[in-house]
Amino acid sequence: DTEVTQTPKHLVMGMTNKKSLKCEQHMGHRAMYWYKQKAKKPPELMFVYSYEKLSINESVPSRFSPECPNSSLLNLHLHALQPEDSALYLCASSQGRGIANEQFFGPGTRLTVL
Amino acid sequence: GDSVTQMEGPVTLSEEAFLTINCTYTATGYPSLFWYVQYPGEGLQLLLKATKADDKGSNKGFEATYRKETTSFHLEKGSVQVSDSAVYFCALSDIYGGSQGNLIFGKGTKLSVKP
Repeated sequence: DTEVTQTPKHLVMGMTNKKSLKCEQHMGHRAMYWYKQKAKKPPELMFVYSYEKLSINESVPSRFSPECPNSSLLNLHLHALQPEDSALYLCASSQGRGIANEQFFGPGTRLTVL
Repeated sequence: GDSVTQMEGPVTLSEEAFLTINCTYTATGYPSLFWYVQYPGEGLQLLLKATKADDKGSNKGFEATYRKETTSFHLEKGSVQVSDSAVYFCALSDIYGGSQGNLIFGKGTKLSVKP
């Protein structure tokens, strides 16, 4: 299985809602990532987990809260988002944090904040 | 810090034309270099990679050679198809220069191939 899966595919939420994005991989990868991608832009790194510990938080607002329950799962909890947070949220995984390790990306969750 | 510069496009070609998308990089250490492709409505897929100077990555008819002397990793394909229409991202991963092993992306190049 060389796939990263993400649910849901699409999500529409109001600014007062609480929702979660889910990501799963069964490749035995020990590093997992959340990215945010706006239209016509490259992905921007939000969070990195390495061996289930938060390794890097790229100064992301606290309304985004990551969680790594185990080595196969990654969640992104959303609360009190703003319309400018509407974007494609991509999850990725890699074998480790070494520079030669390619990242495998999921299909993304298209988030719209009303 | 590390950075990647690629031609922004959009690039429009006819089917069977030759494709070149230029990519140059700035890095403190000895980075690995990648090309990712993003088809409409999808996530990114690794297209090819090279981990040291003079390495050539290739996949699905696409090729790129890691040129340390010109700090370049240009993407080429001899004959494009309509199905190659997508956005192409050049990226590097370096342990130095602030990137800490994370991917540094170029801005992306949108390719449209007409029948």
